[in-house]
Amino acid sequence: AQSVTQLGSHVSVSEGALVLLRCNYSSSVPPYLFWYVQYPNQGLQLLLKYTSAATLVKGINGFEAEFKKSETSFHLTKPSAHMSDAAEYFCAVSGTGNQFYFGTGTSLTVIP
Amino acid sequence: DVKVTQSSRYLVKRTGEKVFLECVQDMDHENMFWYRQDPGLGLRLIYFSYDVKMKEKGDIPEGYSVSREKKERFSLILESASTNQTSMYLCASSPLAGGFYNEQFFGPGTRLTVL
Repeated sequence: AQSVTQLGSHVSVSEGALVLLRCNYSSSVPPYLFWYVQYPNQGLQLLLKYTSAATLVKGINGFEAEFKKSETSFHLTKPSAHMSDAAEYFCAVSGTGNQFYFGTGTSLTVIP
Repeated sequence: DVKVTQSSRYLVKRTGEKVFLECVQDMDHENMFWYRQDPGLGLRLIYFSYDVKMKEKGDIPEGYSVSREKKERFSLILESASTNQTSMYLCASSPLAGGFYNEQFFGPGTRLTVL
């Protein structure tokens, strides 16, 4: 069975500071992992995905994530936060039939 | 660009009404999904479909049904709406080829309020 856990339902950072959003996964098979972003009153947009080609994955808007099998983690980072990064972020793992299992989400606030 | 559209952005219905939420995708995807999103609970899968006229229950199918008569369209039906079905509903699609590592493409969502 697959599942993900996002630690911290709310994260606040100052503009220009490092963004770190945590995701740990559980999977009985090699996992395929995804990060999505949701801006207010919009659907989800893919930030990046891990498909075993490389452990460090670069995505859109300056975000990246590192797959660490030993820690069962796939944390999302961005070196310098912008005001426009304020949104809800979801980690997900893919299962049988491309069914996704989502975390409960992390709301990111960027303080000017 | 893949486009997933949903028939309404905001919907207000009364308890007991039959509600139809429509989703259309334009990329010939085989897989389509319906989720509901609630604060603190993330996205929960209601139903999904791998092909026309096929449907599979997700994690929370109670109180819902679906219809997929055409490949591009996947409808979610609330037979008798209740206040606990007030939520954001998100539709998504993905191609069958490639399996596990295909991303899902999401529509903008329908915020349903049941009074």
